[in-house]
Amino acid sequence: DAGITQSPRHKVTETGTPVTLRCHQTENHRYMYWYRQDPGHGLRLIHYSYGVKDTDKGEVSDGYSVSRSKTEDFLLTLESATSSQTSVYFCAISDRGNTEAFFGQGTRLTVV
Amino acid sequence: AQTVTQSQPEMSVQEAETVTLSCTYDTSESDYYLFWYKQPPSRQMILVIRQEAYKQQNATENRFSVNFQKAAKSFSLKISDSQLGDAAMYFCALFSSNDYKLSFGAGTTVTVRA
Repeated sequence: DAGITQSPRHKVTETGTPVTLRCHQTENHRYMYWYRQDPGHGLRLIHYSYGVKDTDKGEVSDGYSVSRSKTEDFLLTLESATSSQTSVYFCAISDRGNTEAFFGQGTRLTVV
Repeated sequence: AQTVTQSQPEMSVQEAETVTLSCTYDTSESDYYLFWYKQPPSRQMILVIRQEAYKQQNATENRFSVNFQKAAKSFSLKISDSQLGDAAMYFCALFSSNDYKLSFGAGTTVTVRA
């Protein structure tokens, strides 16, 4: 299995609080992605990274920010959590982008 | 901008029969790659098949094959001799070599009837 872990795996937080999700890889893959999965919407891209300190927005980036200060870690921050951000979040990594992407186990986030 | 559309939320197939899942996409790029991923109830994402856009030949992996129609921007997945273990949600995905974006569709849930 590809070395990719997400933390935490589950989190309940209150509206208005900041939340940071971590994606850690041991594969030295260049590309890292954050998605949210919601029923009826599939996987929607939030932000992605194509190298250290190189990031870009996906289709649902509002209310989210990311940072990648080293190859192995890609952090997703919800600046002020809202109930609409309740979701399952997946991180994915890819060596060359056009090859297989490997996914973390997912983080179930509930905003109350 | 690139989009991936899966218009079939659910499909049902009898065991040993064939089912075809539809996927259409839109991109202005010429260098891109297409994928089908499977997500069983465990939520683990598994690569099913991959297609390079510059190749005309349709990709095949055992019982899984694609029908890649580049001009129509269509990328359907055919599952032959369906098995109970094929029951899962299937996602179509597009990677653009220009901006490194990996986009997914909304998914199709496949149910296999014994």
